[in-house]
Amino acid sequence: SQQGEEDPQALSIQEGENATMNCSYKTSINNLQWYRQNSGRGLVHLILIRSNEREKHSGRLRVTLDTSKKSSSLLITASRAADTASYFCATDGSNYKLTFGKGTLLTVNP
Amino acid sequence: DAGVIQSPRHEVTEMGQEVTLRCKPISGHNSLFWYRQTMMRGLELLIYFNNNVPIDDSGMPEDRFSAKMPNASFSTLKIQPSEPRDSAVYFCASSSGTSDTQYFGPGTRLTVL
Repeated sequence: SQQGEEDPQALSIQEGENATMNCSYKTSINNLQWYRQNSGRGLVHLILIRSNEREKHSGRLRVTLDTSKKSSSLLITASRAADTASYFCATDGSNYKLTFGKGTLLTVNP
Repeated sequence: DAGVIQSPRHEVTEMGQEVTLRCKPISGHNSLFWYRQTMMRGLELLIYFNNNVPIDDSGMPEDRFSAKMPNASFSTLKIQPSEPRDSAVYFCASSSGTSDTQYFGPGTRLTVL
């Protein structure tokens, strides 16, 4: 069953703008992870946030987690054309295995 | 570290043929995952192993699919007989633990004619 769902499905912005993607999930989690996938490549891990954390930063990435709303957001600041990719959230449920959403396709126009 | 290695990178075969996909996880990782990705269904977990033992194969579509992990450094996913609807990109990933960060291979793009 689908655990994490990203929103929007697609996002197109200009270089230099910020991009925000959201993820909603259904059941309790231990952690939530964000991954990036460039076209034709495998997924690459970006950041992991644990259920007892509310915000985490990594370079130009900022992730928030609201367990009461069962949602997370990924913010990419000062976007670059190289950020063009699909972004997935992944959650671990009671069975501890990760379940991936269908992703947000981000296009950053130069 | 070479990362997760998958072979072949591309496979084109005819319906009814047997297909074997191979994966070498990152050394020291004890969890290995097989995923299938299509436009329609997104990324689906097929099966995962922990310490070479299959833990959850509920995502395996049907009996035509089988996976093995004979040792900590090698796993195979076999489709026999293959069908056109099996066309997809198949990813292998490994991690230190079941819900830890997963490291993905480059994938095998399978086309069944």
